[in-house]
Order: sequence, then C-alpha cells, then structure tokens
Amino acid sequence: GPKVLQIPSHQIIDMGQMVTLNCDPVSNHLYFYWYKQILGQQMEFLVNFYNGKVMEKSKLFKDQFSVERPDGSYFTLKIQPTALEDSAVYFCASSLGQGRGTEVFFGKGTRLTVV
Amino acid sequence: GEKVEQHESTLSVREGDSAVINCTYTDTASSYFPWYKQEAGKGLHFVIDIRSNVDRKQSQRLIVLLDKKAKRFSLHITATQPEDSAIYFCAADQGGRALIFGTGTTVSVSP
Repeated sequence: GPKVLQIPSHQIIDMGQMVTLNCDPVSNHLYFYWYKQILGQQMEFLVNFYNGKVMEKSKLFKDQFSVERPDGSYFTLKIQPTALEDSAVYFCASSLGQGRGTEVFFGKGTRLTVV
Repeated sequence: GEKVEQHESTLSVREGDSAVINCTYTDTASSYFPWYKQEAGKGLHFVIDIRSNVDRKQSQRLIVLLDKKAKRFSLHITATQPEDSAIYFCAADQGGRALIFGTGTTVSVSP
C-alpha cells in the first residue's frame, strides 16, 4: 500500500543545535502532518500543511518549530534551537484530502534524542 | 478543541476472547473515526475506521461501533490472537480537520 518514508529513523542531537526531520509523503497526497509521540504513548498533533502553508497548529508547535515542502520535495520539520523536552518520536503523515473520511497514512517515525 | 478520551490504558485478554476498547470525543462536528495499531518500536498502522453515517462496521475480526448521541465509539477485537498484542489508538477528525488521537490502549493477548 501507500508508504510514507521518514529519514532518519533515529537522530541524536546536542541541546541548542538545529535538527531537520525529513518526510517523503505518498506521492499524490496534498495534506501533510507532523505528530509527536512521548513515552511511547500519547500521540500529539503538531501541525498540518497544505498548498505550501501551515493550515493548523497546536500549542506544542513552538516558535522554534517550522515546516516546509520546497518544490514538492521532502516535507520537513525543523527545530531550531532544540531543547531537552523535544526528545520524542516524531511521526509524519499524509493524506489525499482532509475530512470526509480520507485515510491518513503514517510513516514509521523518527526518534529524536536531545542530549 | 476536540478532546478524545481512550478509557482503557491497558487490556489483558486470553487468546480467543474478545477485547473492547472504548473512546469518547467532544466535538459534535467530528465525522470520521479511525483506529490505528502500533507494534513495539514501529509506526502507526491503520486497522479500521467508521464514518458518522453508519453505526457499525466490521472487517474480519474487528468491529467498530459508533454512538453519535453519546459521542462514543469502540473497537471490538474478536477471537483475539497473540499477534493482536499492540498499542491501539482511536482518533477523531475534528469536523474535517487534523486527526486528534486518544492516549492509547496497550492490549496484551496471552496464550
């Protein structure tokens, strides 16, 4: 079935440095999402992105976070600067539409460890 | 905003029994309710969904029920097998916006 690919699967970074998480969404999808999973449990919505713009973001999407998808390439989440509390697994997702029961496909996640 | 509560944090069942996970939501505009499965150290895998125009859906051993009046939906895993052991997440679409997830239920199926 359709696959969302996330690169890298693990990343360790020093606190204060910048990190970019990369996502290769399903090829014909138009909506892109980032979620943050803490302690292997709670899946928290961060942001969704459509037509080159952030459509919606949660309180967890701090000023240090940014997303983009330049020229249809990877959909990226950049954190600059990183903080210890940013350690989590970040899941990228994509969908063809939004609402009306459109299925959302998730990647396998990038485990980010900030030390 | 939408809140999705997943009532069972853990569930232990014997192989062959049924497991039931219950979720409630707050946004009356929500119309799409998917369920995802996450095996240890892996990503989310879609298992089944239900839309607000029906109150029951079955796919093989999985049954989803939706009670719109009570804003409650549930996943029934029948005739459980050891490979059903995983974390299950319910979600709701906030009236067509991004999915909001429940807190997850760890299901353990013992032989």
